[in-house]
Amino acid sequence: EAEVAQSPRYKITEKSQAVAFWCDPISGHATLYWYRQILGQGPELLVQFQDESVVDDSQLPKDRFSAERLKGVDSTLKIQPAELGDSAMYLCASSMTSGSSYNEQFFGPGTRLTVL
Amino acid sequence: GQQLNQSPQSMFIQEGEDVSMNCTSSSIFNTWLWYKQDPGEGPVLLIALYKAGELTSNGRLTAQFGITRKDSFLNISASIPSDVGIYFCAGFHDKLIFGTGTRLQVFP
Repeated sequence: EAEVAQSPRYKITEKSQAVAFWCDPISGHATLYWYRQILGQGPELLVQFQDESVVDDSQLPKDRFSAERLKGVDSTLKIQPAELGDSAMYLCASSMTSGSSYNEQFFGPGTRLTVL
Repeated sequence: GQQLNQSPQSMFIQEGEDVSMNCTSSSIFNTWLWYKQDPGEGPVLLIALYKAGELTSNGRLTAQFGITRKDSFLNISASIPSDVGIYFCAGFHDKLIFGTGTRLQVFP
């Protein structure tokens, strides 16, 4: 069964260090999403890609976060420098496409980040 | 960021009991969704609702899209131990907005 892959599953880092997360969406899915889920809350969208283009990055803290999907397939989310408040689960999701109607999003297992 | 109001925050029930949880928003949504998240995993879609007033079932789960398009509820009948997890509602209008979650514990 096709799944969204993410790595690493867990990451512990010290504040001010750089971290990077990787996501491989379901094959053929044009739309890729990065969400942040703080403990005890629901996921919040950070950035949405349609193929290699950013569709929505309005909630991405651009002073320290960056995301890319150079070939329109897999994607990397980077934080530099990491801060204590960045500790959270980072979830990647993909859908066949996107638009004004909902297209089912399939979530990966997430990367649990702890910043010390 | 915006989060939908979901209640109750947590529930502790006995196996076999029915469960009800709901979600409200100040905004109108075109689609309401209910997800379940197990520890250390991503959310998995349970039910999607596309029309105001719609009532949809998936096995022991039943969900409804509120008439005002600002609320939804989820019922689980005859709970079993594997129902344990966190349930999230989400509304869709160009993007998904999630609720704050309901943590469900089922005791045998």
